[in-house]
Amino acid sequence: GAGVSQSPSNKVTEKGKDVELRCDPISGHTALYWYRQSLGQGLEFLIYFQGNSAPDKSGLPSDRFSAERTGGSVSTLTIQRTQQEDSAVYLCASSTRQRPNYGYTFGSGTRLTVV
Amino acid sequence: AQTVTQSQPEMSVQEAETVTLSCTYDTSESDYYLFWYKQPPSRQMILVIRQEAYKQQNATENRFSVNFQKAAKSFSLKISDSQLGDAAMYFCAYRNYGGSQGNLIFGKGTKLSVKP
Repeated sequence: GAGVSQSPSNKVTEKGKDVELRCDPISGHTALYWYRQSLGQGLEFLIYFQGNSAPDKSGLPSDRFSAERTGGSVSTLTIQRTQQEDSAVYLCASSTRQRPNYGYTFGSGTRLTVV
Repeated sequence: AQTVTQSQPEMSVQEAETVTLSCTYDTSESDYYLFWYKQPPSRQMILVIRQEAYKQQNATENRFSVNFQKAAKSFSLKISDSQLGDAAMYFCAYRNYGGSQGNLIFGKGTKLSVKP
């Protein structure tokens, strides 16, 4: 598509429930990233997919967080047994590695609220 | 590890005036990119301007320009003729380009207010 699409836009869930957040990157972008932004804070790196390589999971805060990318395109971030501290905006971005258009394009994010 | 520092949590500018947002970074790499992103209340991260490290010429995009000082590892953003729509969070970001690519590293952001 023309941009990075994320769904849902907003999600309210009860503490302890599992949630799935979806990201549909720009067609042809080989790299996909997930970031978390807590209220009034900067962006915290979560996970990075590059082509068929093993993902860089170094930013995942706990084993309740996981992500997959199917067919090198759509990605799903799953949070199990959600906690109130998981409340944040989850941003997805995709990028090309080709100069001169090197850079990230972000989706509009999913605002997750755990009650 | 690379780091990005934005030392101004908040800035304010009068409409039509010029404002400069500061950013410094630390890296041992030679081939990298620097970016400024704008995040309005809609939370969409919008790319404002990018700079390739191997290019000495400062990037410009309309009213936005950068002062890239590679030796000093400084990358400031100048906004000329500020408009009300420029009010947003501004994030400076760094990314390797060469063999050791990784994720985009962000500063903590500067909140810019524009006064009418």
